[in-house]
Amino acid sequence: GAVVSQHPSRVICKSGTSVKIECRSLDFQATTMFWYRQFPKQSLMLMATSNEGSKATYEQGVEKDKFLINHASLTLSTLTVTSAHPEDSSFYICSARTDSLWGDTQYFGPGTRLTVL
Amino acid sequence: DAKTTQPTSMDCAEGRAANLPCNHSTISGNEYVYWYRQIHSQGPQYIIHGLKNNETNEMASLIITEDRKSSTLILPHATLRDTAVYYCIVLFSSGSARQLTFGSGTQLTVLP
Repeated sequence: GAVVSQHPSRVICKSGTSVKIECRSLDFQATTMFWYRQFPKQSLMLMATSNEGSKATYEQGVEKDKFLINHASLTLSTLTVTSAHPEDSSFYICSARTDSLWGDTQYFGPGTRLTVL
Repeated sequence: DAKTTQPTSMDCAEGRAANLPCNHSTISGNEYVYWYRQIHSQGPQYIIHGLKNNETNEMASLIITEDRKSSTLILPHATLRDTAVYYCIVLFSSGSARQLTFGSGTQLTVLP
């Protein structure tokens, strides 16, 4: 299957700082990438959808000025958590979608564990 | 997108087939059935998807009922590494707004 990477896998930061997470599709081009967040013992929650070269679409309740998404190329999307606070501590997972003749498929990265102190 | 219903948890003996059911009674004609799994502290892993016909790949088989209102994911010979949360998701095959929406899934525990 297609491979999606994320970097870093873990990050610990102080409250008030900004953290950038990179998501790359390694062996395919992804016109659409997604960012999810997962709190302990909960399911994945979609935060935003980004299309290459255009502004991201955020889900209701997700602050676009706090979670900055840049999808500058067909293989790279970044999520920046600005002025992070302890409540932003979570597991952030990106996903990239491939187009095929037989339905689209989303492939997920390994996730980034963010801990804000 | 149609809503799905899955059992909260299931156990399976190692080496036996694991059959995970999913109900999607409101599925529409052009919605696909997707299965993903998430092993603890990892990103979800794509398993298989289908529209009408049964499908099989190196990981699993997907059996979709004729009325498409339910499906079963079959892991033919479960191993301990198959312990994970399994998500059944239905999704339109086209349209710019389509994206996977995760429910609670089924926690499959493979027992030695």
